[in-house]
Amino acid sequence: NAGVTQTPKFQVLKTGQSMTLQCAQDMNHNSMYWYRQDPGMGLRLIYYSASEGTTDKGEVPNGYNVSRLNKREFSLRLESAAPSQTSVYFCASISGGWFDTQYFGPGTRLTVL
Amino acid sequence: SQQGEEDPQALSIQEGENATMNCSYKTSINNLQWYRQNSGRGLVHLILIRSNEREKHSGRLRVTLDTSKKSSSLLITASRAADTASYFCATERGGGTSGSRLTFGEGTQLTVNP
Repeated sequence: NAGVTQTPKFQVLKTGQSMTLQCAQDMNHNSMYWYRQDPGMGLRLIYYSASEGTTDKGEVPNGYNVSRLNKREFSLRLESAAPSQTSVYFCASISGGWFDTQYFGPGTRLTVL
Repeated sequence: SQQGEEDPQALSIQEGENATMNCSYKTSINNLQWYRQNSGRGLVHLILIRSNEREKHSGRLRVTLDTSKKSSSLLITASRAADTASYFCATERGGGTSGSRLTFGEGTQLTVNP
C-alpha cells in the first residue's frame, strides 16, 4: 500500500498561472481532504469530499476548486495563483467513521512569485 | 479561527524528561486527536480520544480529555531526541452525510535535547 500520494512535491508558479495538485489513495477510503499549512501554523481545511460525488467547502476555499474524480483521486486546482497561496498543501483521507483517523500525504510545497 | 489552541507554542526539554502539551477548544466535539509532524513532512496520527473518554494511553503517550473545560493534554514520558517534532491537536465535529472534519490547532514545537 502506498497510502496517500501527492504530486508534484514542489512547484513554483508565477502570479496568474494555474495548476492542479493531484492526490490519490489506495486504502479504499470514502472521504478525502485538502489542507494548507502556512509557516508556523496548523492545517486549515480548504475543501473536502465526504464521499465519491460530493465536495464541500472548508475553512479557506476561496481561490481553489476541487474534483473528486473517483473514489481514489481528489484534485485541487488553482485557477489564477496568487502569492497568498504560497503554502504547503496536504491531502488526507479517512475511511469515513467518526472515530477513524486521517492519513496524510507527504505534501506539495507551492511557491507563487 | 482555529478551533484548537495549543500551549505552549514551543517547549525545549532534556532527553529523559517528560513533555506536556495542552490543547483548548471552543465547541462540542466527537473526538480529539493528536498528530505529530516532523520538519518538512506530513502529519502522522498519534492517538485519538473520544468525547466520552477521560484518559488514554499508547506506549509513552498519555492523553487526557476534560470536556467540561474543553481541554486536552498530551504527555510524552521519558522523551527522546527522536521525539523532536511539532505536535498538533485536532478536534472532530462532523459526521453523518457531511462526513468527518478535523480542525487543527497551531501546534507545539517540541525540542528534545540529547
